[in-house]
Amino acid sequence: VQLVESGGGLVQPGGSLRLSCAASGFTVKINYMSWVRQAPGKGLEWVSIIYSGGDTYYADSVKGRFTISRDTSKNTLYLQMNGLRGEDTGIYYCAREEYYDRETRVFDYWGQGALVTVSA
Amino acid sequence: QSVLTQPPSASGTPGQRVTISCSGGGGNTVNWYHQLSGTAPKLLIYSNTQRPSGVPDRFSGSKSGTSASLAISGLQSEDEADYYCATWDDSLNGWVFGGGTKLTVL
Repeated sequence: VQLVESGGGLVQPGGSLRLSCAASGFTVKINYMSWVRQAPGKGLEWVSIIYSGGDTYYADSVKGRFTISRDTSKNTLYLQMNGLRGEDTGIYYCAREEYYDRETRVFDYWGQGALVTVSA
Repeated sequence: QSVLTQPPSASGTPGQRVTISCSGGGGNTVNWYHQLSGTAPKLLIYSNTQRPSGVPDRFSGSKSGTSASLAISGLQSEDEADYYCATWDDSLNGWVFGGGTKLTVL
């Protein structure tokens, strides 16, 4: 299993960016997939999830601005980020969820992260 | 909406036992992740007390009520990392992470 993010970079406030997370060793459509971010020197913050059935949910901080999606033909997860703000700056990780027992879900694989910098 | 509170820092000397608390979770189970500097987080404990294969038994977890704890015994220099608790929030339909605890091995 491998997750490789790409698409990070420097963007001006109000701008847009699309992150990609190429998956190998499993099918993104089968697992729940999330984006988790980490501001410089700060802790982890969950951003968004897409369920195997396609339902999506977002943290309040990004709702209405970010969109999570996947392309099963490319086995890739995406995060479209619009209306970017300085507080969106950080490393963005894609992470795979798996059930470790009947009721417990965990993030069992993480990508290496993509750095997003929002600055004028 | 759940808020998980962790102490910002903890420390110990090699061989010591340290504990990191995580308070405020609801009825869902707690997972623990650790993050070495400059790397992605890794799963350490799941379902409050369970260790994934490959995690040494020096690491243990517990939960009582709305408070969870991670204990590390026989502290080693390579345990120096950031530690995060996490739980699923049904009302948010998302994950909540604690603020993280930076463990320093003196």
